Amino acid sequence: GEDVEQSLFLSVREGDSSVINCTYTDSSSTYLYWYKQEPGAGLQLLTYIFSNMDMKQDQRLTVLLNKKDKHLSLRIADTQTGDSAIYFCAETFYSSASKIIFGSGTRLSIRP
Amino acid sequence: GAGVSQSPSNKVTEKGKDVELRCDPISGHTALYWYRQSLGQGLEFLIYFQGNSAPDKSGLPSDRFSAERTGGSVSTLTIQRTQQEDSAVYLCASSLAYLGTGSYEQYFGPGTRLTVT
Repeated sequence: GEDVEQSLFLSVREGDSSVINCTYTDSSSTYLYWYKQEPGAGLQLLTYIFSNMDMKQDQRLTVLLNKKDKHLSLRIADTQTGDSAIYFCAETFYSSASKIIFGSGTRLSIRP
Repeated sequence: GAGVSQSPSNKVTEKGKDVELRCDPISGHTALYWYRQSLGQGLEFLIYFQGNSAPDKSGLPSDRFSAERTGGSVSTLTIQRTQQEDSAVYLCASSLAYLGTGSYEQYFGPGTRLTVT
């Protein structure tokens, strides 16, 4: 079945790197996404990776995909207070491309 | 330009009443999605519209839920005989195209917070 799992909370010190992890069960995924939700706001796409890629870098963001282990991670370098938010991992599939399945989200908090 | 808008932003209703939630997608976006976000939960897919095709209703949790999209633009999600477990934030998103064909971004609205008392 389709299932996406994330840990619920992560706390990091300002200036350190944050690594948010995600595991998924369906190997027929096409794209994998990271969305950010700030308090009181809708979701905003941060970055995405196609399933045949291993890594994607975009400024402070690095996405790593391990297809064998069905593991996706988002690394945020030099974490700032503005990075405080809930981060959702999500995927779409070859078998049902009209749906996007989201994880439960990881709440990232930044301590001084 | 204007983003996805949803109304109302908050709705409190009594158990058993019907509610209608509205979504105005970004002009020109052919794909429209409804999701439900319960407290501490991820997003639950509800329904998907793409152009004039029949909607994908596979995520609707019961027959009390229905949605329509008029003229390929505005969409209304209707919940009949609301129950307390329907309390959640209902999010609408639109995109330029069918996600499966590429990496088109979904643009989310701010959501409607529904509370059923």
